Amino acid sequence: SQKIEQNSEALNIQEGKTATLTCNYTNYSPAYLQWYRQDPGRGPVFLLLIRENEKEKRKERLKVTFDTTLKQSLFHITASQPADSATYLCALASYSSASKIIFGSGTRLSIRP
Amino acid sequence: EPEVTQTPSHQVTQMGQEVILRCVPISNHLYFYWYRQILGQKVEFLVSFYNNEISEKSEIFDDQFSVERPDGSNFTLKIRSTKLEDSAMYFCASTLETGLAGSGELFFGEGSRLTVL
Repeated sequence: SQKIEQNSEALNIQEGKTATLTCNYTNYSPAYLQWYRQDPGRGPVFLLLIRENEKEKRKERLKVTFDTTLKQSLFHITASQPADSATYLCALASYSSASKIIFGSGTRLSIRP
Repeated sequence: EPEVTQTPSHQVTQMGQEVILRCVPISNHLYFYWYRQILGQKVEFLVSFYNNEISEKSEIFDDQFSVERPDGSNFTLKIRSTKLEDSAMYFCASTLETGLAGSGELFFGEGSRLTVL
């Protein structure tokens, strides 16, 4: 069956360091992968999209990589700040079901000052 | 800035009652979604809607659930006979295009918290 796994339920790092979050998937042929941020009690907020033929995308302090051989995406936040503390979700959609966007369970990131 | 709005923000209902959750998506968007999130768990896909019909649905979206776009602005989720396990936050989302053509950015509402007693 199709699975999306985000490797850590929680990640704690020191302010100023780079946070790296992992998203692995099985039994998927994704057309694209997205990353969202979710704060407690709020809806997810879109951050970045990367397509299956792209290796890397950047936006300000964010970087996403996509390796379809390893079936993995890495999400990096450089120069992390306490305000980056939130749950980060990866989401996938396939070519055959492009409007069916499925979310992983998320990684709760805490940045300590 | 345009936003997705959902009502009610919180609804408490008795098991077996019908519930309608309402959403006003962003006006020029074409794809509409319902997701649910049980407390402490993942955001789960329920259904996507495009061109006045369901385009995708999950195993959760059984005969107890239905969606409607009764006019040009509202998008509703109906649960016919609520169960205890339907207690969750329900999120509506909309997007102009899928990630195949553009960013596919889903714009989420603030959610409707449903509590079934």
